[in-house]
Amino acid sequence: EVQLVESGGVLVKPGGSLRLSCAVSEFTFRNAWMSWVRQAPGKGLEWVGRIKTILDGGTTDYAGPVKGRFIISRDDSKNTLYLQMNSLKTEDTAVYYCTKHDPITYSYFDPWGQGTLVTVSS
Amino acid sequence: DIQLTQSPASLSASVGDRVTITCRASQGIRDYLNWYQQKPGKAPKLVIYAASTLPIGVPSTFSGSGYGTGFTLTISSLQPEDIATYYCQQGFSIPTFGQGTRVE
Repeated sequence: EVQLVESGGVLVKPGGSLRLSCAVSEFTFRNAWMSWVRQAPGKGLEWVGRIKTILDGGTTDYAGPVKGRFIISRDDSKNTLYLQMNSLKTEDTAVYYCTKHDPITYSYFDPWGQGTLVTVSS
Repeated sequence: DIQLTQSPASLSASVGDRVTITCRASQGIRDYLNWYQQKPGKAPKLVIYAASTLPIGVPSTFSGSGYGTGFTLTISSLQPEDIATYYCQQGFSIPTFGQGTRVE
């Protein structure tokens, strides 16, 4: 069974930094485009950013609210996806999910991890 | 960015009812429209992709239709386990989600 397991969510002060991890098993991680999606408490889903495979250039794209502050990276030797979050703001408080793009059109997400909660508060 | 507008924001239905949720895109997205089901405290689950395709394991009571800018998700006979919030998502360009429809 495909599994994605996020970790690293904690309480952090505004202006601080944090790195989330997503450990992936049961599929060829190096061939997968991956995304982070977040959900603020009581709110809807918000796409954060994605990273393509190394074969596709390993390039990243980000949503406007996090561009310049968040960095997505991957370590294919460890089957792990990362989200480096800098200059955190209270509005970054959310559950962060990692998810895999479909391998043909890259246009939908399946499966998803269980999520990790990041709280930004003084 | 492409905006997705879902309606209604919430709806109340009974077991056995036919439920329809609409998602409208701010510009044409062909059939790059997907639907997710999310139950409280759980991760989203894909229920329709490419506007009308059912993933393996999703009940046939779920169906999707549409192309371009207008899309619908239909549950033909609502079951208790279908109580959830449903989100549309476009994959035509940088991904975006609709604001969600709560089915209760």
